[in-house]
Amino acid sequence: AQSVSQHNHHVILSEAASLELGCNYSYGGTVNLFWYVQYPGQHLQLLLKYFSGDPLVKGIKGFEAEFIKSKFSFNLRKPSVQWSDTAEYFCAVNPSGGSYIPTFGRGTSLIVHP
Amino acid sequence: SQTIHQWPATLVQPVGSPLSLECTVEGTSNPNLYWYRQAAGRGLQLLFYSVGIGQISSEVPQNLSASRPQDRQFILSSKKLLLSDSGFYLCAWSPDRTATDTQYFGPGTRLTVL
Repeated sequence: AQSVSQHNHHVILSEAASLELGCNYSYGGTVNLFWYVQYPGQHLQLLLKYFSGDPLVKGIKGFEAEFIKSKFSFNLRKPSVQWSDTAEYFCAVNPSGGSYIPTFGRGTSLIVHP
Repeated sequence: SQTIHQWPATLVQPVGSPLSLECTVEGTSNPNLYWYRQAAGRGLQLLFYSVGIGQISSEVPQNLSASRPQDRQFILSSKKLLLSDSGFYLCAWSPDRTATDTQYFGPGTRLTVL
């Protein structure tokens, strides 16, 4: 079965700092990859996803993620964070051709200080 | 557009009492429905999922159960709550059964068992 590791459990940044949240998965075949975000008081929602094509995926609010197959990684990045990016971020993986139910990582709590 | 509702938003229950959490989806038909539990630092744990009325799959053996009496209604229940049942319960739906499916989450129910 696949698994997902998010190495950074808590990240604290100042506004305008660059962000990179790590996500690694364990699965030998083709995968679909997701980042979800949960802003304080809001529903968990999709930030971006990759399932084929360009490995650099752009999502909402200036976020992007790069799928590096050789490293089994799908790290989330943003060049300059804002206070409003304070949230919990979850990486998820779903093997192609398998179950339609993704496996989620433990999540990373991001706090951005103004 | 589709919306997903959960209630109650918060619940405080004594150990040994019953539980019923409700989730309804509007604006779609025959959705896949899911119950997750979110614990701090432990990510999202899939509890149950359903692909149709009366069809429930359990992912984690425990004292919780789920039912789907109507196409867009999903209920999480327990006959006797344990302290360890405390947590944040999320309902979600997805439109298809593919590995690229996005999941859409409800606002959640915060359950505290005392």
